[in-house]
Amino acid sequence: EPEVTQTPSHQVTQMGQEVILRCVPISNHLYFYWYRQILGQKVEFLVSFYNNEISEKSEIFDDQFSVERPDGSNFTLKIRSTKLEDSAMYFCASSEEKNTEAFFGQGTRLTVV
Amino acid sequence: ILNVEQSPQSLHVQEGDSTNFTCSFPSSNFYALHWYRWETAKSPEALFVMTLNGDEKKKGQISATLNTKEGYSYLYIKGSQPEDSATYLCAFDDYGGSQGNLIFGKGTKLSVKP
Repeated sequence: EPEVTQTPSHQVTQMGQEVILRCVPISNHLYFYWYRQILGQKVEFLVSFYNNEISEKSEIFDDQFSVERPDGSNFTLKIRSTKLEDSAMYFCASSEEKNTEAFFGQGTRLTVV
Repeated sequence: ILNVEQSPQSLHVQEGDSTNFTCSFPSSNFYALHWYRWETAKSPEALFVMTLNGDEKKKGQISATLNTKEGYSYLYIKGSQPEDSATYLCAFDDYGGSQGNLIFGKGTKLSVKP
């Protein structure tokens, strides 16, 4: 069964460092998303991406964040200068069409120290 | 600020019990309501996407209903099994123009004891 895969599963980084979280969405899906969940809090929307550009982004998704689809398969989330409060589980998701069910990856646990 | 509430926060039942839990969401600008099942150490798995008031969807022993006028959805599990143990998340989609800006509840954590 096709699935969304994310790497790495766990990333530890020092404050101020750049991190890139990687995702491979399901191959025939056109819409891609990043969500995050800070421990003990709700899952929060970060950004959606379609047709090689950002469709929508939340207030969380400030200038420190960027997304890219560098080739036909990968979808990356970059955090330029990590802060302690960026520590969270980051989920990538994809969907075939707009507003249909999204398939989630297993997440990358980011720990900023 | 749009808010999605789920209750109860956690639920412990015996195998064979039927159970239900609630998701409350804003009744204005409704587009869709998503239910996800999330097992520990796995990715959230989509259960239902509900769009119409009065909708009822079923997947095996799990079913869900939707009331968009009053802003709630119920998820029912008939005859719970230990493998149903998971966190059940609902997510509100506020209008068709948004792409993926789902607003999630905190989830209901279900534990089913054999």
